[in-house]
Amino acid sequence: DAKTTQPTSMDCAEGRAANLPCNHSTISGNEYVYWYRQIHSQGPQYIIHGLKNNETNEMASLIITEDRKSSTLILPHATLRDTAVYYCIAAGGTSYGKLTFGQGTILTVHP
Amino acid sequence: GAGVSQSPRYKVAKRGQDVALRCDPISGHVSLFWYQQALGQGPEFLTYFQNEAQLDKSGLPSDRFFAERPEGSVSTLKIQRTQQEDSAVYLCASSLGRGGSGANVLTFGAGSRLTVL
Repeated sequence: DAKTTQPTSMDCAEGRAANLPCNHSTISGNEYVYWYRQIHSQGPQYIIHGLKNNETNEMASLIITEDRKSSTLILPHATLRDTAVYYCIAAGGTSYGKLTFGQGTILTVHP
Repeated sequence: GAGVSQSPRYKVAKRGQDVALRCDPISGHVSLFWYQQALGQGPEFLTYFQNEAQLDKSGLPSDRFFAERPEGSVSTLKIQRTQQEDSAVYLCASSLGRGGSGANVLTFGAGSRLTVL
């Protein structure tokens, strides 16, 4: 799986959009970009994934650049409950759940 | 239940003791995974089952670690002769196991925190 690079930490004000960047410059054509988050003392939680088109669900939006070398996870209206470690993972369909999590980004949402 | 259930949530063992950690995946989920998470680190893959077959155990750190899923549902991760470096959170995850991008959409349990003294 391609290596991903994320900032170590980010801050966001409650109610504002949180934009979390991820670089994956060596991503291959069959690899998707997945985002998970992990709230303290819980297991990771799947958020969203995409290949090359932008994706949106009830939790977040995923914007992938045209060259697919980077992406941004957007939480449109961050709440205190969104404080967590966010992991960006590049993986293909043949990874079968064998994911490389890395260090992730610690997002802190402030009141 | 609706989610992945793990027990015990917390386990303290003396060095040299054997421990067993249990995972009850979501009903109908074919694939089951074990991950290890050291303090301050991201989860690391240990092993993967498809039904009762262990298809990948490349992440198990030593032969003291053993996992099984005999009937294709509940799984147990066993660690023999525990060492201090085994202290970590052990996460279990399951998925429907279908191919394509959904194969990497996992539902994780809350984990079992093992402390070896």
